[in-house]
Amino acid sequence: GQQVMQIPQYQHVQEGEDFTTYCNSSTTLSNIQWYKQRPGGHPVFLIQLVKSGEVKKQKRLTFQFGEAKKNSSLHITATQTTDVGTYFCAGPSAGGTSYGKLTFGQGTILTVHP
Amino acid sequence: GAVVSQHPSRVICKSGTSVKIECRSLDFQATTMFWYRQFPKKSLMLMATSNEGSKATYEQGVEKDKFLINHASLTLSTLTVTSAHPEDSSFYICSAAGQSTYGYTFGSGTRLTVV
Repeated sequence: GQQVMQIPQYQHVQEGEDFTTYCNSSTTLSNIQWYKQRPGGHPVFLIQLVKSGEVKKQKRLTFQFGEAKKNSSLHITATQTTDVGTYFCAGPSAGGTSYGKLTFGQGTILTVHP
Repeated sequence: GAVVSQHPSRVICKSGTSVKIECRSLDFQATTMFWYRQFPKKSLMLMATSNEGSKATYEQGVEKDKFLINHASLTLSTLTVTSAHPEDSSFYICSAAGQSTYGYTFGSGTRLTVV
């Protein structure tokens, strides 16, 4: 079945350092979504990428969707303690339609040392 | 923005009892809602897809008679954990998406502890 792999599983950085998490799907995705879950909280939608090669920015966060629409990355520039949390990528499950079920990556747990 | 309200946030119950968790979309209609289970520091495991007015679709390995899902309206889905056992202790989260929303909105989750 479809798999969405995400690496690394953990990332510890010093405040001010950059951070990147990578997401790879076993199948081509119609879109990819990114979520952030703060410790003890619930996932919060960050962004959706749809086009091949798409790059979107949200302040210090840069999201990329690969040309083949099978991989994606999230890069945070100059991390802050408020960036702490788990970052998940998610893509529509194989055969899924809009508002259908998602397959989530394993998540990357980011800790930031002040 | 879209808001999904989930209650209760925490519940402790005795083994053998049942627990109902509610998930409401407050400002949009959700034809479909999803129920996930999450273990500490792990990803979200989809349990079932809740469809308004029809039976839920369960993922492989999820017991439908144990995890009862009802989606009686476009704004409410409930998950009932029946005859709960300690191994059912977990973090349960619902999510929903609608035509007026962007991405999926998650409820705040329910931490269930079965003693």
